Amino acid sequence: NAGVTQTPKFQVLKTGQSMTLQCAQDMNHEYMSWYRQDPGMGLRLIHYSVGAGITDQGEVPNGYNVSRSTTEDFPLRLLSAAPSQTSVYFCASSYGRSPTEAFFGQGTRLTVV
Amino acid sequence: DAKTTQPNSMESNEEEPVHLPCNHSTISGTDYIHWYRQLPSQGPEYVIHGLTSNVNNRMASLAIAEDRKSSTLILHRATLRDAAVYYCILRDVYNQGGKLIFGQGTELSVKP
Repeated sequence: NAGVTQTPKFQVLKTGQSMTLQCAQDMNHEYMSWYRQDPGMGLRLIHYSVGAGITDQGEVPNGYNVSRSTTEDFPLRLLSAAPSQTSVYFCASSYGRSPTEAFFGQGTRLTVV
Repeated sequence: DAKTTQPNSMESNEEEPVHLPCNHSTISGTDYIHWYRQLPSQGPEYVIHGLTSNVNNRMASLAIAEDRKSSTLILHRATLRDAAVYYCILRDVYNQGGKLIFGQGTELSVKP
């Protein structure tokens, strides 16, 4: 059971480049979400999804796009990277409408130069 | 989103109990109280959750006040591996997509 898998683990981008952070889960979870964590800070919610075809904005959505075409995958797209997007990104998943635990990936460390 | 208030940091001695407090005075009836912790350089991991009654699992206990406006995470015997940032989060899985909104958390240090 792989849980939540994020790729890549590390990435360096130049300002203005675009890229997609991948997140996949094999637990048939309805809920998935993306967070960013800046140094010394707590996690902030970027976007979330309650099921395939349904997404919504979190606390800090600007500069990021998401889509949810399948239950398993929830990619995060940076359209034009900026140095302010340098951060560690975490993906999470959980069962829908259930208070049970959310599972987090190991994170993607992104640096924009 | 209902908010929580936690102390920024706490210290504990190894093998002693630790009580981590959390205030959530604006909690709603459908909010579950969740605790997660984040070890250095790792993603958050689930610790425990509850609604109204006290809860126990292999990692910790959760004591919830009768009015639900505060709760306490109890680590019965702290080990060095318990040094982490602990987050108390209110989670409404029925009305808000189950999203977890993290605050600053409490950084727990454990002394040998």
